[in-house]
Amino acid sequence: EDQVTQSPEALRLQEGESSSLNCSYTVSGLRGLFWYRQDPGKGPEFLFTLYSAGEEKEKERLKATLTKKESFLHITAPKPEDSATYLCAVQASGGSYIPTFGRGTSLIVHP
Amino acid sequence: KAGVTQTPRYLIKTRGQQVTLSCSPISGHRSVSWYQQTPGQGLQFLFEYFSETQRNKGNFPGRFSGRQFSNSRSEMNVSTLELGDSALYLCASRASGSTGELFFGEGSRLTVL
Repeated sequence: EDQVTQSPEALRLQEGESSSLNCSYTVSGLRGLFWYRQDPGKGPEFLFTLYSAGEEKEKERLKATLTKKESFLHITAPKPEDSATYLCAVQASGGSYIPTFGRGTSLIVHP
Repeated sequence: KAGVTQTPRYLIKTRGQQVTLSCSPISGHRSVSWYQQTPGQGLQFLFEYFSETQRNKGNFPGRFSGRQFSNSRSEMNVSTLELGDSALYLCASRASGSTGELFFGEGSRLTVL
């Protein structure tokens, strides 16, 4: 069974204080790993897809990296508008396209 | 390009009632998935429809059902509502041939009293 564990559950940062969110996964062959951002009361918004170990993707202050066992979402010099819940999901190779989601990391950035 | 649209956004029901939620996917997207999100369980997959056929199903009781129409719009129904069905129900669409990224609607917040 595919498993995704995100840590920490919650993270409070000061504006400008860089940090990383972790997504550890167990999957029988990885087709893709996805990061989403979810604002309160809204649906998740797609951020990145990573396919193989060593791959990196960047978008503004966010950079996602991937190893064979985990992914990191690095947040550089965060701003209050980066406050959200960040969800990680894995998609196994073969079979359906249905991803397995982690519980998410709730990030609050204080001004 | 319009995003995924879900209606209604909020609704309150009582135990034993039934509810129908609607989802209009992004134009051209034929795959529609439904998820239940609660603070305790996170995002749980309900089912996926593609070209009017249920292609995948999660581990939910038969009270949860869905369907998809020829225009790719989808509905999900929950019968005999229980208190534990209170949740945010999210619909997501996916483009054919995509690598799997989902585009979510804003959700329907169901409260069961």
